[in-house]
Formats: sequence, structure tokens, C-alpha cells
Amino acid sequence: QVHLVQSGAEVKKPGASVKVSCKPSGYIFTSYTLHWVRQAPGQRLEWLGWVNASNGHTKLSQKFQGRVTIATDTFARTAYMELNSLKSEDTAVYYCARDLGGYSGYDLDYWGQGTLVTVSS
Amino acid sequence: SVLTQPPSASGTPGQRVTISCSGSWSNIGRNTVNWYQQLPGTAPKLLIYNSDQRPSGVPDRFYGSKSGTSASLAISGLQSEDEADYYCAAWDDSLNGYVIFGGGTKLTVL
Repeated sequence: QVHLVQSGAEVKKPGASVKVSCKPSGYIFTSYTLHWVRQAPGQRLEWLGWVNASNGHTKLSQKFQGRVTIATDTFARTAYMELNSLKSEDTAVYYCARDLGGYSGYDLDYWGQGTLVTVSS
Repeated sequence: SVLTQPPSASGTPGQRVTISCSGSWSNIGRNTVNWYQQLPGTAPKLLIYNSDQRPSGVPDRFYGSKSGTSASLAISGLQSEDEADYYCAAWDDSLNGYVIFGGGTKLTVL
């Protein structure tokens, strides 16, 4: 069965960076695209971007371009999301999610358990 | 661009409830719609993709549809375990393209 396991909660100061990892299992890592989505407390889901695990190509939300890096380590079969210049508004649960491989490219069928990132001075 | 959902919906067990999602030509008008169910404290679960397709394991009580720039999720035979937040999502062609989510609808089973 498919599982996506994310790294643990983080507490960061404003201006710092955070790196969250996502390690899928139960399928061939390079066969699917992985997305990153976040959810601030009581807020809607917000898309950060995706990475094609077969070739490392990424598509990032314009809102986060210049501040977010999404990448994969094929050898470690792990995906990473790094967000820089953190602000209090970046406090959220960050999820990785797998695209099921259909026509659209954004059908997220399996999700990680979420990683709470708290930005506070 | 925004996807607009009603903030709340409710129904009694056995009833049919419909949740709407209103967008524009840059998102729902041109692209397929997904629906996610999120139980408190858990990750979202894919209920509907390609506007009207159910992943394996999702009961046929959940029905998705799309027309023009709007989409709907219908839940029939409402059950207590359906009490959750429901989000629509679509690709938006503006701003170099991104996935856009609706604001979510909290469904209460009375």
C-alpha cells in the first residue's frame, strides 16, 4: 500500500528557512509527480508546486517563486520542500501529495500526514 | 482568481446534499475539477477527479459534476461519517498556472 511519510514538526524564527521531507513507499518513486500543499490554521488549502520525480522538473506557484525550492533525491527516494525567508504567515501544516497519474496532473490521491511549521519569534 | 464555495451545509441522515463551487473561465471553465474530503486533524482525501470520476474505494454516494464555470458535489444517503470539510480544486491558467482550491464547505450531519 502507498504511504507518504513526512518529517516532523518544526519551529522557526522569522527570516529563517525550513526544509520538509517526504518519503513515499509502496510504489515506484520515479513514476509519479509529487505536489506540496499547505494549510494555515483555519484556512483553505494552498498549492506551492510540484516536482516530476522521474526528471526533477518542477512547476512552482508564482506566489512562492524565489522563496520555495522543491526537489527530489532519487537515490534516497525522497522529496523535499524548502521555504526561505519565513514569515509568521507561513505558519501552516505542509503536505506532500502524489498525483495519481491521470490526464490533469493534479489529482492528489495519496497524502502525507502533514508537517506543522510554526514561525514565531 | 477564486473558487467560491458556501461556508457551510447541513443535512439529516439519509438526505441528499449538494455543495457548489463557482469559478471562472481561467479555472473551472477550461480545466477539470477535483473534490477533497478533510476530516478534522487529518490530510485531505480525494473524492472526485476529472470532475466526475471516483477513485477506487470512494462510494457511489458521492457524485461530481461540472457545467460551464461551476461544479457541484452531491452526497446522497448522508451518513454521520460524512461530517467533514469539503474542498473543490482546479487548475487556473492565470499567473503562469497553478492549482487553486476553494474556501471549503463544512458539512454538518444533524
